[in-house]
Amino acid sequence: GDSVTQMEGPVTLSEEAFLTINCTYTATGYPSLFWYVQYPGEGLQLLLKATKADDKGSNKGFEATYRKETTSFHLEKGSVQVSDSAVYFCAHQTGNQFYFGTGTSLTVIP
Amino acid sequence: NAGVTQTPKFQVLKTGQSMTLQCAQDMNHNSMYWYRQDPGMGLRLIYYSASEGTTDKGEVPNGYNVSRLNKREFSLRLESAAPSQTSVYFCASSARAAGAGANVLTFGAGSRLTVL
Repeated sequence: GDSVTQMEGPVTLSEEAFLTINCTYTATGYPSLFWYVQYPGEGLQLLLKATKADDKGSNKGFEATYRKETTSFHLEKGSVQVSDSAVYFCAHQTGNQFYFGTGTSLTVIP
Repeated sequence: NAGVTQTPKFQVLKTGQSMTLQCAQDMNHNSMYWYRQDPGMGLRLIYYSASEGTTDKGEVPNGYNVSRLNKREFSLRLESAAPSQTSVYFCASSARAAGAGANVLTFGAGSRLTVL
């Protein structure tokens, strides 16, 4: 069935380090792909999205490219900040259903 | 600019008690969802409503009921709470109907439920 697998956490990085969080998906058809971010005590909010193969979603310095051949949508950021500390969820949408990964907790230390 | 509003934010219940989580959105969205979030399990869909007047089971519907009261409101009811239902519950909504491209989910702030 449809699912999302993302990198286990927690991840701890120093400020200005490079970030990669891996995400792969299993889906029927051609899903749309998302990264959501959850800050402490809040609901999830959309970080970026891509709707078709080879699309690159980007926002706030984060990027992810829809790779159909590897069924992946890895999240990257070139230089993380303390304010990026949060939990990151990869998700895909097929039809009217959304499938989420288990989340990756990121802590950035000064 | 309210978006998705959930109430209550916190609730403690005893086993066997009932309660209803309320959710309302002011964005004229068609679809609404209830998820639960548990450590190490991510978000799991309980029920969703693709449009006013319809509801469907998600991945973990047992022990829950829902009502799509109107286009704005989607409530989640626990008829007889169990400790396994201790969780953080999120309501979400999206604009488009099924199959209409990339919906974007807008989430509420969450409701933390503890069942003793």
